[in-house]
Amino acid sequence: DQQVKQNSPSLSVQEGRISILNCDYTNSMFDYFLWYKKYPAEGPTFLISISSIKDKNEDGRFTVFLNKSAKHLSLHIVPSQPGDSAVYFCAAKVNNAGNMLTFGGGTRLMVKP
Amino acid sequence: EPEVTQTPSHQVTQMGQEVILRCVPISNHLYFYWYRQILGQKVEFLVSFYNNEISEKSEIFDDQFSVERPDGSNFTLKIRSTKLEDSAMYFCASSDTSGGASYNEQFFGPGTRLTVL
Repeated sequence: DQQVKQNSPSLSVQEGRISILNCDYTNSMFDYFLWYKKYPAEGPTFLISISSIKDKNEDGRFTVFLNKSAKHLSLHIVPSQPGDSAVYFCAAKVNNAGNMLTFGGGTRLMVKP
Repeated sequence: EPEVTQTPSHQVTQMGQEVILRCVPISNHLYFYWYRQILGQKVEFLVSFYNNEISEKSEIFDDQFSVERPDGSNFTLKIRSTKLEDSAMYFCASSDTSGGASYNEQFFGPGTRLTVL
């Protein structure tokens, strides 16, 4: 039951360029979305989130866009840096229904110097 | 910066044995979680815990699993009789709000790698 999907297992980007990571979901009850970043041998680290009442949220180099009608969200990183190389997970939750996060499969981002 | 810690970092056990995975959540957090990630698969929710009781659990969290907050700082996950398919990375997380209408950021620990032989 893949309620949250990240169709690109990997992405390679040149340093300084934009990285765009995509995520699709099927459960229309999801109303909060989060992006986590994970380095090897570490736990996921929260990056940025967005509520379903918004279509964009920006924090420094990171921007998340939400298209509810398409059930699609994306994370933009600009400019990309080599230290951004990690696995990025999209996650979703239903507010007022407990705190369970449903994760996508992750996208491995490689930023080349 | 406060962080979630987990011990041990790697646990190897024989099938059928009991294991206890330990976590120290961030001190002022009230909500605690366990997730797992089988190699090559997604991070999956197991259970959430608040006010000394389970608030939500997934279908993975069957009778073989239990959680406990034995004192004011630790949060444990026990697997009573491990199976080969329990081999995974187990992540503990904590948060200081339940979410509801507002965002709830879950802080994750580094994980315990459980290997069942």
